[in-house]
Amino acid sequence: AQSVTQLGSHVSVSEGALVLLRCNYSSSVPPYLFWYVQYPNQGLQLLLKYTSAATLVKGINGFEAEFKKSETSFHLTKPSAHMSDAAEYFCAVSLSGGYNKLIFGAGTRLAVHP
Amino acid sequence: DAMVIQNPRYQVTQFGKPVTLSCSQTLNHNVMYWYQQKSSQAPKLLFHYYDKDFNNEADTPDNFQSRRPNTSFCFLDIRSPGLGDAAMYLCATSRDTITVVNEQYFGPGTRLTVT
Repeated sequence: AQSVTQLGSHVSVSEGALVLLRCNYSSSVPPYLFWYVQYPNQGLQLLLKYTSAATLVKGINGFEAEFKKSETSFHLTKPSAHMSDAAEYFCAVSLSGGYNKLIFGAGTRLAVHP
Repeated sequence: DAMVIQNPRYQVTQFGKPVTLSCSQTLNHNVMYWYQQKSSQAPKLLFHYYDKDFNNEADTPDNFQSRRPNTSFCFLDIRSPGLGDAAMYLCATSRDTITVVNEQYFGPGTRLTVT
């Protein structure tokens, strides 16, 4: 069965500091992986996705993630945090084949301090 | 801009009183999904439509029903809301995914309060 584990339910960084949000997946087949961001009282917005092309994936708002098969990880990074990055971040894995069911991690709430 | 629209954004209903949430899309996607998201939790898939084919998740309560009268619209009906059904309800869409895994596009959600 496929699953996603996000390490750290809350992460706090200073403005301008590196953002690192961790995601590990479990999958018996090559996974499709996604990072979504959710601002308060909003829906989810796609940041980036991995679909077996390049292992380093660049997304919107300066975020990127690297797929590491040996570590079963897909960590999200941003070199310099901005106040507007404060939000909830969800990592998700998709069942390949058939319909596109997303399995979400529990989420990581990012706080950015001045 | 193409988008997923949910109405209303906030809905208050009484315990046991049926309520309907609506979702529309201008993306012309053939797959539509309904998720339930409780406070500080990940979204949980309730069901989805692949074109007109309805697919229920095994653990979705019978209290939750859905209708999709056409490609653009999808409704979530809660027949007898309980206090435990208070949550954010998210609608999402994606393109045909038989051969390719595509991302889902989410609406802004409807926050349901049950009094």
